[in-house]
Amino acid sequence: NAGVTQTPKFQVLKTGQSMTLQCAQDMNHNSMYWYRQDPGMGLRLIYYSASEGTTDKGEVPNGYNVSRLNKREFSLRLESAAPSQTSVYFCASTGRGQGYEQYFGPGTRLTVT
Amino acid sequence: DQQVKQNSPSLSVQEGRISILNCDYTNSMFDYFLWYKKYPAEGPTFLISISSIKDKNEDGRFTVFLNKSAKHLSLHIVPSQPGDSAVYFCAAKGGNQFYFGTGTSLTVIP
Repeated sequence: NAGVTQTPKFQVLKTGQSMTLQCAQDMNHNSMYWYRQDPGMGLRLIYYSASEGTTDKGEVPNGYNVSRLNKREFSLRLESAAPSQTSVYFCASTGRGQGYEQYFGPGTRLTVT
Repeated sequence: DQQVKQNSPSLSVQEGRISILNCDYTNSMFDYFLWYKKYPAEGPTFLISISSIKDKNEDGRFTVFLNKSAKHLSLHIVPSQPGDSAVYFCAAKGGNQFYFGTGTSLTVIP
């Protein structure tokens, strides 16, 4: 099992460009999450999907959109990147009845210039 | 406003001694608490958790204590080992969302 995978690992964008961060899990988990990690801020929830077909905003959703494509995949889209979106992005998943622990991907380091 | 706080950005401990990492929260509706460990350039990995109806949970060298009246939890690592050197995040579950602290960087000195 690969667990949670994220692509790409690194990305540099110019202000105004768009991109989609991909996330997939092979653990048959119901819930998936997107976080960003900034220095001194910990991890902050951007969006989450409690189950296939549903998505909800987290703490910092502005400037992002998400798609829960199927049970395995949850993508994060930046329509018009801004320097404030320079961050490390983590995808995570958790399964029902597993004590709520989240399994994280390795992260995507995004720089917006 | 930060609902989960880790007020110590860093901690150094001698190998073999106890490491105590602290976490405070403000929302009394949080019903589950977790600790994660993170190495550089990797995603966080789950360490240990505790339900709000308990006050202690133990797993090997790791013990988490919860004091609901003080809205405080702590992670004890005994004995500390050099491989424990990492950033530790506490997290709290409220509804379907999780709220993370800013992390404490633990260094275990051989």
